[in-house]
Amino acid sequence: DAGVTQSPTHLIKTRGQHVTLRCSPISGHKSVSWYQQVLGQGPQFIFQYYEKEERGRGNFPDRFSARQFPNYSSELNVNALLLGDSALYLCASSLGQTGNTEAFFGQGTRLTVV
Amino acid sequence: GESVGLHLPTLSVQEGDNSIINCAYSNSASDYFIWYKQESGKGPQFIIDIRSNMDKRQGQRVTVLLNKTVKHLSLQIAATQPGDSAVYFCAENGQAGTALIFGKGTTLSVSS
Repeated sequence: DAGVTQSPTHLIKTRGQHVTLRCSPISGHKSVSWYQQVLGQGPQFIFQYYEKEERGRGNFPDRFSARQFPNYSSELNVNALLLGDSALYLCASSLGQTGNTEAFFGQGTRLTVV
Repeated sequence: GESVGLHLPTLSVQEGDNSIINCAYSNSASDYFIWYKQESGKGPQFIIDIRSNMDKRQGQRVTVLLNKTVKHLSLQIAATQPGDSAVYFCAENGQAGTALIFGKGTTLSVSS
């Protein structure tokens, strides 16, 4: 069984640009959550989607948005990129809502903003 | 075995020793906790979880202890191996159960 898959693995963008990150959850999992991990820190919660609806949002600006598709895959979009958005973006997949059941992470997308 | 009473950012042990990694969580209402292992350049790897109606849970070579009175969580690793070297994070459920809130990581270094 494939685990959580994220694409791309690495990305370099220029300040002001837009980026779209993608995540495919484990087969049968209906919840996808997004986290940002800055070097040297723990992951910070951005969004949770469960059954295609937003169920939770962390303390991130409106430049960050996400959606979940009928096949439960998800996209994270970040507009007007800032240097401070450089981080590892992680997607977590769980059967039920993240925070109540086992959550499994993908390998992440390393975003560098220059 | 090597243990720490308070959270320390790093822990160094010898191969074969038992390791204890501690974590203080923030919200007394949290009722689900997970330990993750993160190796360099990789995403966090699920190790073990525990719900608040339990005090202890055992897995393969790992044991998680939960003390709700002092809001403390610990991960015990038996017979630590070089492959256990990584950053370990505890996480509690937050935001009405919609998110995982991660604690400060502990870097475990195992020397042979």
